[in-house]
Amino acid sequence: QKEVEQDPGPLSVPEGAIVSLNCTYSNSAFQYFMWYRQYSRKGPELLMYTYSSGNKEDGRFTAQVDKSSKYISLFIRDSQPSDSATYLCAMIGSGAGSYQLTFGKGTKLSVIP
Amino acid sequence: GAVVSQHPSWVICKSGTSVKIECRSLDFQATTMFWYRQFPKQSLMLMATSNEGSKATYEQGVEKDKFLINHASLTLSTLTVTSAHPEDSSFYICSTELAETYEQYFGPGTRLTVT
Repeated sequence: QKEVEQDPGPLSVPEGAIVSLNCTYSNSAFQYFMWYRQYSRKGPELLMYTYSSGNKEDGRFTAQVDKSSKYISLFIRDSQPSDSATYLCAMIGSGAGSYQLTFGKGTKLSVIP
Repeated sequence: GAVVSQHPSWVICKSGTSVKIECRSLDFQATTMFWYRQFPKQSLMLMATSNEGSKATYEQGVEKDKFLINHASLTLSTLTVTSAHPEDSSFYICSTELAETYEQYFGPGTRLTVT
């Protein structure tokens, strides 16, 4: 079982839709959770950062972490064509053996005008 | 967040030559930088952790003699791909980390094509 599982998609939605992106993980030592957005042939851009369980909102983006289920989500409201990119979840722990930032494979999102 | 630059953004070289990629932390002093490689339609793979003033720590399967990392200052780390081969063609990305929160900020990446 891989440490982080993420559906690669592709996911195609109409403009204005609510997008839900998810990752599951197996390492209970993960405590810090991030979502990155990566445009084609560009470096990843940090979108959201959360520590432990709970919700965090920033504009149209909401990140949720459920440590009991080992499940994290990113919601995008009122999606725009400019949101079309690959979204990578990433996580890191502070315990031994879990210090490395571990990425999901990324979900490719297309928002259709 | 932190601002990271990379140079060059795209390089084409002939097989057998060496290529140096620079990674700069523009707005804070980075004692630790990371180098990743990304093949098309795949996620980022950590190659090595670069520590200022000391030797880099390489991930299993990464040849340290082929991928030379130098972190001579708190704002600059370099990755040199020695004796490059076509299979080294990839997208190389560096990042810096905020030690207190583990947030990593990435550079724009360098696309290496070996012919």
